[in-house]
Amino acid sequence: GAGVSQSPRYKVAKRGQDVALRCDPISGHVSLFWYQQALGQGPEFLTYFQNEAQLDKSGLPSDRFFAERPEGSVSTLKIQRTQQEDSAVYLCASSFQEGFQRTEAFFGQGTRLTVV
Amino acid sequence: KQEVTQIPAALSVPEGENLVLNCSFTDSAIYNLQWFRQDPGKGLTSLLLIQSSQREQTSGRLNASLDKSSGRSTLYIAASQPGDSATYLCAVRRIGNKLVFGAGTILRVKS
Repeated sequence: GAGVSQSPRYKVAKRGQDVALRCDPISGHVSLFWYQQALGQGPEFLTYFQNEAQLDKSGLPSDRFFAERPEGSVSTLKIQRTQQEDSAVYLCASSFQEGFQRTEAFFGQGTRLTVV
Repeated sequence: KQEVTQIPAALSVPEGENLVLNCSFTDSAIYNLQWFRQDPGKGLTSLLLIQSSQREQTSGRLNASLDKSSGRSTLYIAASQPGDSATYLCAVRRIGNKLVFGAGTILRVKS
């Protein structure tokens, strides 16, 4: 596709429910990132993949959060036993690795998760 | 730890005015700096990318500068229009390839 695609756009989950958020990056983009954006704040880093390898997961807030990218393309962010504090917009970004200086990130529309 | 600060937090200007948004960062060891625009309920749109070896980049009415040694970047918007109303975010790419964002500047251009 022409851009980064995320689904669903909106998700309402009951507290304790598991959710899965999908990201389809720009074709050919090696790097994929997940960010979490709380209301009125800038995005916060969650995790980073290069191809299928998860190189950095230091931003995942708890072991309830899990991300995968098994074939180096589509990625899924899974949140188990959702809590109200998980309510946020989850943004996915991808980039074509051209050397770190020239690497430009392109973001999807995000998934707005509301836990009730 | 890298921290990014954006000033002002919000800005309201009349149409046609030139304006400057500021971004500062604490650690000068960055690969590049990217300015984004975010419309309400939407994702981030990349506006400009400045590599750490560059001083400025221009795109249409937008001009971004970078002074890495002092940890500052500015985004200059010329002849502002109501359609420029959005939240503007700056982010620095640091070692490990992750982006660190500021909280953003909310811009409103009044017609």
